[in-house]
Amino acid sequence: QKEVEQDPGPLSVPEGAIVSLNCTYSNSAFQYFMWYRQYSRKGPELLMYTYSSGNKEDGRFTAQVDKSSKYISLFIRDSQPSDSATYLCAMSDDSNYQLIWGAGTKLIIKP
Amino acid sequence: DSGVTQTPKHLITATGQRVTLRCSPRSGDLSVYWYQQSLDQGLQFLIQYYNGEERAKGNILERFSAQQFPDLHSELNLSSLELGDSALYFCASSVDQGGYEQYFGPGTRLTVT
Repeated sequence: QKEVEQDPGPLSVPEGAIVSLNCTYSNSAFQYFMWYRQYSRKGPELLMYTYSSGNKEDGRFTAQVDKSSKYISLFIRDSQPSDSATYLCAMSDDSNYQLIWGAGTKLIIKP
Repeated sequence: DSGVTQTPKHLITATGQRVTLRCSPRSGDLSVYWYQQSLDQGLQFLIQYYNGEERAKGNILERFSAQQFPDLHSELNLSSLELGDSALYFCASSVDQGGYEQYFGPGTRLTVT
């Protein structure tokens, strides 16, 4: 079993829909949770960074961490075709310098 | 633009050869990370340097090596190249060694023929 599981998709939704992207993890020591967006063959871009549990909102994006369930989510409201990309989750604990990455979910927003 | 630069953008070389990829971190960042991403594959962490010293090692082959110089730029050396080494190689940087907020460069696309 991988430390971080992420459905590779593709996930295809119509423009304007609310998108939910998720990752599950097995290491209860993880405290830092990140979401990155990667357009095709480009460098990943940091979208959201959350420490420990709770929600964080930035414009149309909301990151949610549920440590009791070892589950993190990224919600995208009013999705746009420009949101079409691969979304990667990454996480780490206090003692490890290395991020543990999900495989990425490919998201397609249909106009 | 993340502020991380990588050169070259593209590299085509033959099996058995050696190449060097270069990365300049964002201004003020002390950590540099190297990743490999093969076609339709996830990011594979290779190695991290912090202020000139190796901090963490991932799935880096013995044929690969890296270093970080006093001016904080980093180089990834790939030798005895094989067809399977064809991939995108990304460099990322962060302010400290925790690496919780990493900023990625545009990548170097390596093709081994």
